[in-house]
Amino acid sequence: EVQLLESGGGLVQPGGSLRLSCAASGFTFSSYAMSWVRQAPGKGLEWVSSIRDSGGSTYYADSVRGRFTISRDNSKNTLFLQMDSLRAEDAAVYYCAKTLVGATFKWDYWGQGTLVTVSS
Amino acid sequence: QSALTQPASVSGSPGQSITISCTGTSSDVGGYNYVSWYQQHPGKAPKLMIYDVNNRPSGVSNRFSGSKSGNTASLTISGLQAEDEADYYCSSYTISSTPLVFGTGTKVTVL
Repeated sequence: EVQLLESGGGLVQPGGSLRLSCAASGFTFSSYAMSWVRQAPGKGLEWVSSIRDSGGSTYYADSVRGRFTISRDNSKNTLFLQMDSLRAEDAAVYYCAKTLVGATFKWDYWGQGTLVTVSS
Repeated sequence: QSALTQPASVSGSPGQSITISCTGTSSDVGGYNYVSWYQQHPGKAPKLMIYDVNNRPSGVSNRFSGSKSGNTASLTISGLQAEDEADYYCSSYTISSTPLVFGTGTKVTVL
């Protein structure tokens, strides 16, 4: 059974940093691209970032490029999102998502999300 | 890159069919057959219902179908059931610097 478990969310002040993690199990992690998608409270979905299976290629939304960094450790089946220079508008539930085989932007499994709150 | 446009809400009675539209441009929906649809129940993670315009992942009911015409994609739910009441989001690959864009979301209500 595919499982994705996010952690690392919490309350941070504007300008601060957080590192999200996503522990994956139930599939060959190193064979799939992975992504982060966020959802502000009461709002719609917003794609944040994706990383290819090997980690060699990464993609970012304009809204986070230069502030967020996606990475993965295939030896530990873990996906990361380093978030720096956080802004109020980054507050959201952050979902880790597994892609369909061979895809980058189509997700067949999602975690339950971790909440990031940005406030002074 | 602006979000794809969806109607805020769509409703129907049990057993009926409803269609949710997702309108973009030739730079996203119209330019690529990479439209996906996600269902999200309150407080839950999204679930993939359709990918590549009209493909269903295994385990998704065949009551859900997708199509596209020009810059508008559509999700049709046939034989509407109470469990279909949820929010639905389309997404599309886009040629812009943000390569993936979601729709604004549609709340489906089963009357």
